[in-house]
Amino acid sequence: DGGITQSPKYLFRKEGQNVTLSCEQNLNHDAMYWYRQDPGQGLRLIYYSQIVNDFQKGDIAEGYSVSREKKESFPLTVTSAQKNPTAFYLCASSIEGVHSYGYTFGSGTRLTVV
Amino acid sequence: GNSVTQMEGPVTLSEEAFLTINCTYTATGYPSLFWYVQYPGEGLQLLLKATKADDKGSNKGFEATYRKETTSFHLEKGSVQVSDSAVYFCALSAPNQGGKLIFGQGTELSVKP
Repeated sequence: DGGITQSPKYLFRKEGQNVTLSCEQNLNHDAMYWYRQDPGQGLRLIYYSQIVNDFQKGDIAEGYSVSREKKESFPLTVTSAQKNPTAFYLCASSIEGVHSYGYTFGSGTRLTVV
Repeated sequence: GNSVTQMEGPVTLSEEAFLTINCTYTATGYPSLFWYVQYPGEGLQLLLKATKADDKGSNKGFEATYRKETTSFHLEKGSVQVSDSAVYFCALSAPNQGGKLIFGQGTELSVKP
């Protein structure tokens, strides 16, 4: 079955460390997205990519970086410049340009700073 | 610009009560409209969608009708269960925006036995 996989499910980061969250999809979707969710809050867009080797900043890109070297993969790096990284991170994918399709989401990664 | 407004939560209901979660939108053209559900500790799942005016999306006893005249897409269920406790997100995707979704803030539903 096709789907979108995020790993790990739980991640712990020490102060000053960079960590990378994995997002892989086998749905053949062109577009991929990263969102941050804080407790009791909605979704905030970090980065998105509509095609391989291209990506755009979302609303809260500072302190984060991404790459899109393969269609299937869109890893997110949380850098030491992100001052408050503890949150739930969600990856999603969709068919580019089809506004009736919606997103498929992964199951999320919970990042905690220790 | 395009936006989605949902009723604030949390919404607390007793089992078998009727549920309505209000969602209104602002968009140019004819957007597609979606409801997603997020169970605790999980990602979002598509619950239902409607892609044109007067369409009704339905799934698992939930329904929502795309009302162009009132720019609304309210979520309803006739009899909620404890297992429906979750956060519900309304979203829209406008034409010519590359398929990108605009989400509401989410409404937390808690159903008590």
